Amino acid sequence: GENVEQHPSTLSVQEGDSAVIKCTYSDSASNYFPWYKQELGKGPQLIIDIRSNVGEKKDQRIAVTLNKTAKHFSLHITETQPEDSAVYFCAATPGWGQNFVFGPGTRLSVLP
Amino acid sequence: KAGVTQTPRYLIKTRGQQVTLSCSPISGHRSVSWYQQTPGQGLQFLFEYFSETQRNKGNFPGRFSGRQFSNSRSEMNVSTLELGDSALYLCASRQDYGYTFGSGTRLTVV
Repeated sequence: GENVEQHPSTLSVQEGDSAVIKCTYSDSASNYFPWYKQELGKGPQLIIDIRSNVGEKKDQRIAVTLNKTAKHFSLHITETQPEDSAVYFCAATPGWGQNFVFGPGTRLSVLP
Repeated sequence: KAGVTQTPRYLIKTRGQQVTLSCSPISGHRSVSWYQQTPGQGLQFLFEYFSETQRNKGNFPGRFSGRQFSNSRSEMNVSTLELGDSALYLCASRQDYGYTFGSGTRLTVV
């Protein structure tokens, strides 16, 4: 079955700097890769996603890149702000009707 | 539109008891999935229901069960609770690829 690894497990950056979180997956059938942000006491919230027919997607300060050949995808957050502090999860799935396999999470701290 | 609603938010149960958690999906979403979140194991898939039928099931013992009603609301049940069942139980609904999660039910087994 699918296995998703995520690095780093913790990340501290200064406000205004960029943050990058990387994930690798094992199942070449996976074709949908979402990223979730989880704040304390809340459920995970979808922040950006990418499908396997696209190499990069951007939404304001957040971008995701996908390398299907190497089976890895990354989350890039630019101009980080204190409110970006949270736990971020990547996930992979073969598609509609299939469950997600989540990475173990990255705790991002943005220091003022 | 209203999000995914999970009740109750917190539960404390004793070992050996059973518990039922409830989830109301976003209106129009027919797929409801349940995940267990623990510090050690992360987010683990329990099962998914679609149009009242279990479509997928994760690797959890038979003590964990669920169902979905005709209005898409879902319940999950855990029988004979063990200390290791203490976790945040998350429900998620979807219409397309991406999940929308509820805030979860924090279950503590003592």
